[in-house]
Amino acid sequence: GAVVSQHPSWVICKSGTSVKIECRSLDFQATTMFWYRQFPKQSLMLMATSNEGSKATYEQGVEKDKFLINHASLTLSTLTVTSAHPEDSSFYICSATEREHSYNEQFFGPGTRLTVL
Amino acid sequence: GQNIDQPTEMTATEGAIVQINCTYQTSGFNGLFWYQQHAGEAPTFLSYNVLDGLEEKGRFSSFLSRSKGYSYLLLKELQMKDSASYLCAVVDSNYQLIWGAGTKLIIKP
Repeated sequence: GAVVSQHPSWVICKSGTSVKIECRSLDFQATTMFWYRQFPKQSLMLMATSNEGSKATYEQGVEKDKFLINHASLTLSTLTVTSAHPEDSSFYICSATEREHSYNEQFFGPGTRLTVL
Repeated sequence: GQNIDQPTEMTATEGAIVQINCTYQTSGFNGLFWYQQHAGEAPTFLSYNVLDGLEEKGRFSSFLSRSKGYSYLLLKELQMKDSASYLCAVVDSNYQLIWGAGTKLIIKP
């Protein structure tokens, strides 16, 4: 089956620093990638949707200048949390699909746990 | 507004059967998903329903009634490894995926 990887699996950083999370589709071309955030005991919250070669579409309330998304190729999307603060500590999950709107073929990465001190 | 309701937590016994309900009110409907998520891990796909009726897949079955805005996930012959959160998600008319808060299922021996 299709595999999506994320790197790093976990990261601890100081407040004010920036953190980059990579999401890769290993055996398929991901036309669309999604970035989610999940706080403890809560459901997934979609942050943004990115299509290869175009700007990401951010959900309401998500700061695009703080969460920079780059979908530079069909196999790689990156999320950069700029000037991270403790309230940004969360579980960040990406998912990818080969075709737009094909949610039934949405494959999730293993997630990245971010802790900001 | 758009809303998906599921129970916060359920408890069941190993070997038994449990039904997790999901009701939704969304702007349009283009399918409903059930995902399983173990603590600290990403969700894994369980089922997708777009037509009314029951879809059976091994120990897990999913039911949909579009007229009632209702779905359930049925888990049979429960095993300890089934302890997880179960997320219901609906695709609306804009093809946006709306997530429920999830139901934490606790299995007791």
